[in-house]
Amino acid sequence: AQSVTQLDSQVPVFEEAPVELRCNYSSSVSVYLFWYVQYPNQGLQLLLKYLSGSTLVKGINGFEAEFNKSQTSFHLRKPSVHISDTAEYFCAVSRANSGNTPLVFGKGTRLSVIA
Amino acid sequence: DSGVTQTPKHLITATGQRVTLRCSPRSGDLSVYWYQQSLDQGLQFLIQYYNGEERAKGNILERFSAQQFPDLHSELNLSSLELGDSALYFCASSAEQEVWETQYFGPGTRLLVL
Repeated sequence: AQSVTQLDSQVPVFEEAPVELRCNYSSSVSVYLFWYVQYPNQGLQLLLKYLSGSTLVKGINGFEAEFNKSQTSFHLRKPSVHISDTAEYFCAVSRANSGNTPLVFGKGTRLSVIA
Repeated sequence: DSGVTQTPKHLITATGQRVTLRCSPRSGDLSVYWYQQSLDQGLQFLIQYYNGEERAKGNILERFSAQQFPDLHSELNLSSLELGDSALYFCASSAEQEVWETQYFGPGTRLLVL
């Protein structure tokens, strides 16, 4: 079975500073990896996903993530955050090439951007 | 706005009761997913339907059941409710049934069991 660990439950950062949200996964087979964002009082929205190919994945709102197979990591980064990036971020994993194996989500990282 | 609608937005009920949560997927999407989000368990996959058929099952209790109707809307039925069932219940939809497809989440139904 797949599992994912988000290493930080809360990350405070000043506006216009860079940020990295960490995600590590566990799996004995190939995986798909996802980052979702949940703004206050809203549902989740996909930021980006890694399925195959280039290990650097670019997403919406200036976010990017790098798949590192040897480190079993998929950290999310943004070079300069805005107040509007304040939200909860979820990393998710699924077994690759297995049809509809469900997504397994991490516990989430709450990003607070400080003015 | 994701295009996925969920009703009701909030629900307060008592232990032992039964409730029904409703989800309308994005236009054209055939898959519907149900998730439970709670502080202690995080976001947990419950069940997936594709074009009216159950496709995948997660940590869904036997007291819970779901179905997807011919018009593709879905309902999640929760019965014999317990305090621990208090949570945010999300519905998501995707075009087809493959896990790599983008899932579009609704705003959720917040259930409080007293």
